[in-house]
Amino acid sequence: DTEVTQTPKHLVMGMTNKKSLKCEQHMGHRAMYWYKQKAKKPPELMFVYSYEKLSINESVPSRFSPECPNSSLLNLHLHALQPEDSALYLCASSQGWGINQPQHFGDGTRLSIL
Amino acid sequence: AQRVTQPEKLLSVFKGAPVELKCNYSYSGSPELFWYVQYSRQRLQLLLRHISRESIKGFTADLNKGETSFHLKKPFAQEEDSAMYYCAASGGGADGLTFGKGTHLIIQP
Repeated sequence: DTEVTQTPKHLVMGMTNKKSLKCEQHMGHRAMYWYKQKAKKPPELMFVYSYEKLSINESVPSRFSPECPNSSLLNLHLHALQPEDSALYLCASSQGWGINQPQHFGDGTRLSIL
Repeated sequence: AQRVTQPEKLLSVFKGAPVELKCNYSYSGSPELFWYVQYSRQRLQLLLRHISRESIKGFTADLNKGETSFHLKKPFAQEEDSAMYYCAASGGGADGLTFGKGTHLIIQP
C-alpha cells in the first residue's frame, strides 16, 4: 500500500460544529503532516508529527487540534471554525529520517465553513 | 526566513518545444529540493528530488548551489505535461515542505 488515504473527501460544517478529519498510511512512515491549501495557492504547513510526537506547530489557531493515535493514523479535530478556514486540507507522510525522503500526499479533504 | 520563488505564474509553450520552469530558494543550511506536480483533479505527487539526479517523464532538474536554483527542464514538451508544478524545499528528516507559489504549465498542440 503506497497511498495516503484521507476521509472524508468533502465536509461542510457550521461555525459551532465539532468535526474531525482523518488520515491513514501503511507505508511504515514515521512522519506525518497537515497542510492547508487555499484555492490557487500552494500548500502551507500546519503541523508535523515525528514518531507520534508533535514536532512542529506553525502557529496554528487552537480551533485546529491535531492528534496522532498511532504511527499509521493522523487526525485533525476542528471546533468553532471561521469562514476563512474553508480550504483543502492535505495530509502527507514521509519516512521521517534519511536524505531527501519525499512526502506522499493524500487527495485532501475539501472543507467548507458556513 | 525560508523562501522558495517561482517567478512564472503561467508558462505556455507549444508541443515539442523545450520547457524550463524556474525555481530559486533562500534557505538556511543545506535544504533538500523537490519538484511536485499536480495534474487536473489528481493529488499532488512527487516528480523529482535533487539528490537522485534522475529523469522522470523526460524532466530533469539540477541543483545549482552558487545560484541557489533548482530549475526544471524538459527538451521536448508533450501535451500531457500540462499541469501545476511546485518547487519545494525542506530542511530534511521530518521537516515540513516550503512550497513556491507554483507555475501553471500549458502545452499547446
